[in-house]
Amino acid sequence: GAGVSQTPSNKVTEKGKYVELRCDPISGHTALYWYRQSLGQGPEFLIYFQGTGAADDSGLPNDRFFAVRPEGSVSTLKIQRTERGDSAVYLCASSQTSGNSPLHFGNGTRLTVT
Amino acid sequence: AQSVTQLGSHVSVSEGALVLLRCNYSSSVPPYLFWYVQYPNQGLQLLLKYTSAATLVKGINGFEAEFKKSETSFHLTKPSAHMSDAAEYFCAVSLGGSYIPTFGRGTSLIVHP
Repeated sequence: GAGVSQTPSNKVTEKGKYVELRCDPISGHTALYWYRQSLGQGPEFLIYFQGTGAADDSGLPNDRFFAVRPEGSVSTLKIQRTERGDSAVYLCASSQTSGNSPLHFGNGTRLTVT
Repeated sequence: AQSVTQLGSHVSVSEGALVLLRCNYSSSVPPYLFWYVQYPNQGLQLLLKYTSAATLVKGINGFEAEFKKSETSFHLTKPSAHMSDAAEYFCAVSLGGSYIPTFGRGTSLIVHP
Protein backbone atom coordinates (compact mmCIF):
# COMPACT_ATOMS: atom_id res chain seq x y z
CA GLY A 1 0.00 0.00 0.00
CA ALA A 2 0.92 3.65 -0.13
CA GLY A 3 3.39 4.99 2.39
CA VAL A 4 3.54 8.35 4.10
CA SER A 5 3.49 11.14 1.56
CA GLN A 6 4.93 14.61 2.17
CA THR A 7 4.55 17.62 -0.07
CA PRO A 8 6.34 19.56 -1.30
CA SER A 9 9.62 17.67 -1.32
CA ASN A 10 11.51 20.95 -1.43
CA LYS A 11 10.46 24.45 -0.42
CA VAL A 12 12.51 27.62 -0.73
CA THR A 13 11.09 30.73 0.88
CA GLU A 14 12.25 34.15 1.91
CA LYS A 15 12.78 35.16 5.50
CA GLY A 16 9.55 36.42 7.03
CA LYS A 17 7.24 34.45 4.75
CA TYR A 18 4.60 31.92 5.77
CA VAL A 19 4.86 28.24 4.73
CA GLU A 20 2.69 25.17 4.95
CA LEU A 21 4.02 21.62 4.80
CA ARG A 22 1.63 18.76 4.16
CA CYS A 23 1.67 15.16 5.36
CA ASP A 24 -0.60 12.35 4.17
CA PRO A 25 -0.18 9.37 6.54
CA ILE A 26 -0.76 5.69 5.94
CA SER A 27 -4.47 4.94 5.86
CA GLY A 28 -5.75 3.75 9.22
CA HIS A 29 -2.83 5.07 11.24
CA THR A 30 -4.23 7.14 14.07
CA ALA A 31 -0.90 8.47 15.36
CA LEU A 32 0.96 11.15 13.41
CA TYR A 33 4.27 12.79 14.25
CA TRP A 34 6.27 15.74 13.01
CA TYR A 35 10.01 15.80 13.48
CA ARG A 36 12.68 18.21 12.28
CA GLN A 37 16.12 17.06 11.14
CA SER A 38 19.04 19.42 10.79
CA LEU A 39 22.26 18.49 9.01
CA GLY A 40 24.27 15.97 11.00
CA GLN A 41 21.56 15.54 13.61
CA GLY A 42 18.91 12.99 14.39
CA PRO A 43 15.20 13.72 14.09
CA GLU A 44 14.01 16.20 16.71
CA PHE A 45 10.44 15.81 17.95
CA LEU A 46 8.00 18.63 17.24
CA ILE A 47 4.41 17.44 17.75
CA TYR A 48 2.36 14.25 18.07
CA PHE A 49 -1.28 13.77 17.10
CA GLN A 50 -3.59 11.01 18.24
CA GLY A 51 -6.57 11.27 15.95
CA THR A 52 -7.51 14.90 15.44
CA GLY A 53 -6.01 16.26 18.63
CA ALA A 54 -2.46 17.26 19.41
CA ALA A 55 -1.57 14.89 22.23
CA ASP A 56 1.85 16.45 22.76
CA ASP A 57 3.15 19.66 21.22
CA SER A 58 6.02 20.16 23.63
CA GLY A 59 8.59 20.03 20.85
CA LEU A 60 7.34 23.05 18.92
CA PRO A 61 10.15 25.60 19.29
CA ASN A 62 7.95 28.70 19.57
CA ASP A 63 4.55 30.10 18.70
CA ARG A 64 5.50 30.62 15.05
CA PHE A 65 5.02 26.89 14.59
CA PHE A 66 1.56 25.34 14.49
CA ALA A 67 0.15 22.06 13.18
CA VAL A 68 -3.35 20.78 12.52
CA ARG A 69 -5.00 17.50 11.66
CA PRO A 70 -8.67 18.44 11.32
CA GLU A 71 -10.09 15.12 10.11
CA GLY A 72 -7.65 12.76 11.74
CA SER A 73 -5.81 12.00 8.53
CA VAL A 74 -3.86 14.66 6.60
CA SER A 75 -1.79 17.05 8.70
CA THR A 76 -0.36 20.45 7.91
CA LEU A 77 2.61 22.03 9.66
CA LYS A 78 2.46 25.81 9.48
CA ILE A 79 5.37 28.15 10.07
CA GLN A 80 4.82 31.88 10.32
CA ARG A 81 7.44 34.60 9.84
CA THR A 82 10.07 32.10 8.80
CA GLU A 83 13.66 32.59 9.94
CA ARG A 84 16.90 31.24 8.45
CA GLY A 85 17.24 28.98 11.49
CA ASP A 86 14.06 27.18 10.45
CA SER A 87 15.91 25.67 7.49
CA ALA A 88 15.89 21.88 7.94
CA VAL A 89 14.24 18.72 6.70
CA TYR A 90 10.77 18.33 8.19
CA LEU A 91 9.79 14.71 8.64
CA CYS A 92 6.33 13.29 9.08
CA ALA A 93 5.65 9.80 10.41
CA SER A 94 2.58 7.76 11.23
CA SER A 95 1.96 4.64 13.28
CA GLN A 96 -0.75 2.44 14.66
CA THR A 97 -1.86 3.14 18.19
CA SER A 98 0.62 1.37 20.41
CA GLY A 99 3.59 2.42 22.49
CA ASN A 100 5.88 0.04 20.64
CA SER A 101 4.54 0.44 17.13
CA PRO A 102 7.29 1.53 14.76
CA LEU A 103 7.02 4.83 12.94
CA HIS A 104 6.60 4.93 9.18
CA PHE A 105 8.33 7.98 7.79
CA GLY A 106 7.81 10.03 4.68
CA ASN A 107 10.75 11.28 2.63
CA GLY A 108 10.56 14.69 4.25
CA THR A 109 10.24 18.28 3.07
CA ARG A 110 13.50 20.18 2.77
CA LEU A 111 12.80 23.77 3.80
CA THR A 112 15.31 26.46 2.92
CA VAL A 113 14.78 29.98 4.22
CA THR A 114 16.85 32.57 2.38
CA ALA B 1 13.20 11.29 30.91
CA GLN B 2 14.74 9.37 28.07
CA SER B 3 17.80 9.96 25.93
CA VAL B 4 19.95 8.16 23.41
CA THR B 5 23.68 8.37 22.74
CA GLN B 6 25.22 7.02 19.57
CA LEU B 7 28.99 6.78 19.81
CA GLY B 8 30.74 7.67 16.60
CA SER B 9 29.18 9.89 13.98
CA HIS B 10 30.95 7.87 11.27
CA VAL B 11 31.95 4.21 11.13
CA SER B 12 34.04 2.93 8.24
CA VAL B 13 34.40 -0.78 7.44
CA SER B 14 35.58 -2.90 4.56
CA GLU B 15 33.13 -5.00 2.60
CA GLY B 16 32.78 -8.36 4.36
CA ALA B 17 33.90 -7.02 7.74
CA LEU B 18 31.88 -6.95 10.95
CA VAL B 19 29.62 -3.96 11.47
CA LEU B 20 29.17 -2.62 15.01
CA LEU B 21 27.15 0.54 15.64
CA ARG B 22 26.85 1.60 19.27
CA CYS B 23 23.80 2.88 21.09
CA ASN B 24 23.38 3.62 24.78
CA TYR B 25 20.17 4.83 26.30
CA SER B 26 19.04 6.50 29.47
CA SER B 27 15.63 5.55 30.82
CA SER B 28 14.11 5.31 34.27
CA VAL B 29 11.74 2.54 33.20
CA PRO B 30 12.02 -0.40 30.78
CA PRO B 31 12.23 1.13 27.32
CA TYR B 32 11.21 0.24 23.83
CA LEU B 33 14.26 0.44 21.57
CA PHE B 34 14.48 0.79 17.82
CA TRP B 35 17.03 1.01 15.04
CA TYR B 36 16.10 2.87 11.88
CA VAL B 37 18.08 3.18 8.64
CA GLN B 38 18.04 6.06 6.18
CA TYR B 39 19.39 5.42 2.71
CA PRO B 40 20.35 8.42 0.58
CA ASN B 41 17.35 10.43 -0.56
CA GLN B 42 14.92 8.11 1.24
CA GLY B 43 12.87 8.26 4.43
CA LEU B 44 13.79 6.46 7.63
CA GLN B 45 12.71 2.85 7.75
CA LEU B 46 12.62 0.38 10.62
CA LEU B 47 15.47 -2.14 10.89
CA LEU B 48 14.42 -3.79 14.13
CA LYS B 49 12.80 -3.16 17.51
CA TYR B 50 13.12 -4.43 21.08
CA THR B 51 9.97 -4.76 23.13
CA SER B 52 11.11 -7.03 26.01
CA ALA B 53 10.18 -10.36 24.38
CA ALA B 54 13.79 -11.39 23.72
CA THR B 55 17.09 -9.66 24.35
CA LEU B 56 18.55 -10.58 20.95
CA VAL B 57 16.52 -9.06 18.17
CA LYS B 58 16.89 -9.92 14.50
CA GLY B 59 16.02 -7.38 11.86
CA ILE B 60 16.04 -6.99 8.12
CA ASN B 61 19.09 -7.30 5.86
CA GLY B 62 21.01 -9.50 8.32
CA PHE B 63 21.21 -6.94 11.12
CA GLU B 64 20.64 -7.78 14.75
CA ALA B 65 20.86 -6.00 18.09
CA GLU B 66 21.22 -7.15 21.66
CA PHE B 67 19.55 -5.45 24.60
CA LYS B 68 21.86 -5.36 27.63
CA LYS B 69 20.11 -3.85 30.62
CA SER B 70 23.22 -3.86 32.83
CA GLU B 71 25.07 -1.79 30.23
CA THR B 72 22.02 0.22 29.08
CA SER B 73 23.06 -0.61 25.55
CA PHE B 74 21.40 -1.72 22.32
CA HIS B 75 24.27 -2.06 19.85
CA LEU B 76 23.58 -2.97 16.22
CA THR B 77 25.68 -5.60 14.48
CA LYS B 78 26.00 -7.40 11.17
CA PRO B 79 28.56 -10.16 10.61
CA SER B 80 29.52 -9.16 7.08
CA ALA B 81 29.09 -5.69 5.61
CA HIS B 82 27.81 -5.20 2.09
CA MET B 83 28.24 -2.13 -0.08
CA SER B 84 24.47 -1.65 -0.01
CA ASP B 85 24.58 -1.20 3.80
CA ALA B 86 26.09 2.27 3.39
CA ALA B 87 23.53 4.56 5.01
CA GLU B 88 22.72 6.61 8.11
CA TYR B 89 21.62 4.57 11.14
CA PHE B 90 19.55 5.95 14.00
CA CYS B 91 18.87 4.45 17.41
CA ALA B 92 15.64 5.51 19.12
CA VAL B 93 14.06 4.96 22.53
CA SER B 94 10.57 5.41 23.89
CA LEU B 95 9.21 4.71 27.33
CA GLY B 96 6.31 2.36 27.90
CA GLY B 97 3.91 5.17 28.70
CA SER B 98 5.10 7.46 25.94
CA TYR B 99 4.37 7.19 22.25
CA ILE B 100 7.13 9.59 21.30
CA PRO B 101 10.49 8.10 20.31
CA THR B 102 13.65 10.08 21.03
CA PHE B 103 16.32 9.65 18.36
CA GLY B 104 20.09 9.63 18.58
CA ARG B 105 22.25 11.83 16.35
CA GLY B 106 22.85 9.00 13.91
CA THR B 107 25.90 7.08 12.70
CA SER B 108 26.94 7.16 9.08
CA LEU B 109 28.14 3.73 7.94
CA ILE B 110 30.74 3.82 5.16
CA VAL B 111 31.59 0.57 3.41
CA HIS B 112 34.82 0.33 1.42
CA PRO B 113 35.27 -2.22 -1.39
